[in-house]
Amino acid sequence: QHQLQESGPGLVKASETLSLTCAVSGASIRSDNYYWGWIRRPPGKGLEWIGSISYSGSTYYNSSLKSRVTMSVDTSKNQVSLKFNSLTAADTAVYYCARYNFWSGPSYDTWGRGTLVTVSS
Amino acid sequence: QSVMTQPPSASGTPGQRVTISCSGSSSNMGSNALNWYQHVPDAAPRLLIYSSSLRPSGVSDRFSGSKSGTSASLAISGLQSEDEADYYCAAWDDSLNAWVFGGGTKLTVL
Repeated sequence: QHQLQESGPGLVKASETLSLTCAVSGASIRSDNYYWGWIRRPPGKGLEWIGSISYSGSTYYNSSLKSRVTMSVDTSKNQVSLKFNSLTAADTAVYYCARYNFWSGPSYDTWGRGTLVTVSS
Repeated sequence: QSVMTQPPSASGTPGQRVTISCSGSSSNMGSNALNWYQHVPDAAPRLLIYSSSLRPSGVSDRFSGSKSGTSASLAISGLQSEDEADYYCAAWDDSLNAWVFGGGTKLTVL
């Protein structure tokens, strides 16, 4: 069973680019049954879907964020990555990596604990 | 403003049954699977219910879900202190081409 662990810088400056990594353990990410997604939760607000990626690199992005988001996958390291540019204070949030399972819903059925990103001015 | 609407708070005493509602539209839960999540602060969100009423392996049968048209509900029976958490509904939205979430309901066990 997959376990997910997000990592990132914690604090980034406005206008810079955020880079986050999701390390997947317990099983290979090379499966046609799953995609790998990113979801965030700004402080005091609800969850917002950022997008998802397959192990072969097919991507789906939230259209409201698409111009600033790039997702990638490294199957040799069993990890997925998120890059988010032109940051503002509104991008301050806990960022979660999650497994998208086509056979349960579909749904994001396994999540990491998240990593807090604070954008400073 | 969330695309799907949930009450911001709910509460109950140990042993009680509580329900949390989620209201959407024809473009999201009206035509797609509806999922429920439990989120305890500083922990990983946990899938409780998928496809409106199905429980993943390991989820207690105290949790149950239902959906009718563009409204859904999550019921928690035999309320326990460890059920205190935030609860979210989620569905794919065909108009937005995005996964959308309810605003979340904070459940307090009194």
